[in-house]
Amino acid sequence: SQTIHQWPATLVQPVGSPLSLECTVEGTSNPNLYWYRQAAGRGLQLLFYSVGIGQISSEVPQNLSASRPQDRQFILSSKKLLLSDSGFYLCAWSVWGGGTDTQYFGPGTRLTVL
Amino acid sequence: KQEVTQIPAALSVPEGENLVLNCSFTDSAIYNLQWFRQDPGKGLTSLLLIQSSQREQTSGRLNASLDKSSGRSTLYIAASQPGDSATYLCAVEDQFYFGTGTSLTVIP
Repeated sequence: SQTIHQWPATLVQPVGSPLSLECTVEGTSNPNLYWYRQAAGRGLQLLFYSVGIGQISSEVPQNLSASRPQDRQFILSSKKLLLSDSGFYLCAWSVWGGGTDTQYFGPGTRLTVL
Repeated sequence: KQEVTQIPAALSVPEGENLVLNCSFTDSAIYNLQWFRQDPGKGLTSLLLIQSSQREQTSGRLNASLDKSSGRSTLYIAASQPGDSATYLCAVEDQFYFGTGTSLTVIP
């Protein structure tokens, strides 16, 4: 069966510090991978998606970047965090097949930037 | 553990019809409830967010209601269009628990 891992679960970082959130998927090959963020009081927003190794699409201009160094690894990074980067970050995977593209979500990381 | 169910699983309607999608959840102690649409091969798009203290939200032809006490939310789509065809998901927070989804097809 497939599983998705995200870590850490909770993170408190000072403004200006770097960030690295990791997401890994097990039990599937060549998944589509997604990073979402939900800021306080806002809807979930798609940040990045990837259809393969080294292929990253950004949905919104921002202070963050994403990388996919391996087929089932997706990393969200920042060189210098801003207060506005605070929020709940979700990673998801999907595999197109049988006419469906169901997304499966990780447990999330709650980031607080102080 | 929170369980979120959506009914129906699939729906096909002619263009112009009004329709209702249903979402039910087992634990009424929720923070927010969101409705999303998912288009094939794309990420989720947040449509409406209802905070736990609110009873409904509206955006264009969409109206979502929330009844925490009964563990239900509905998404009302007025005057449906072919471009509304997608999978619709609800999710309750603050940990995200997603519903099973409703696949909507609007026939021109």
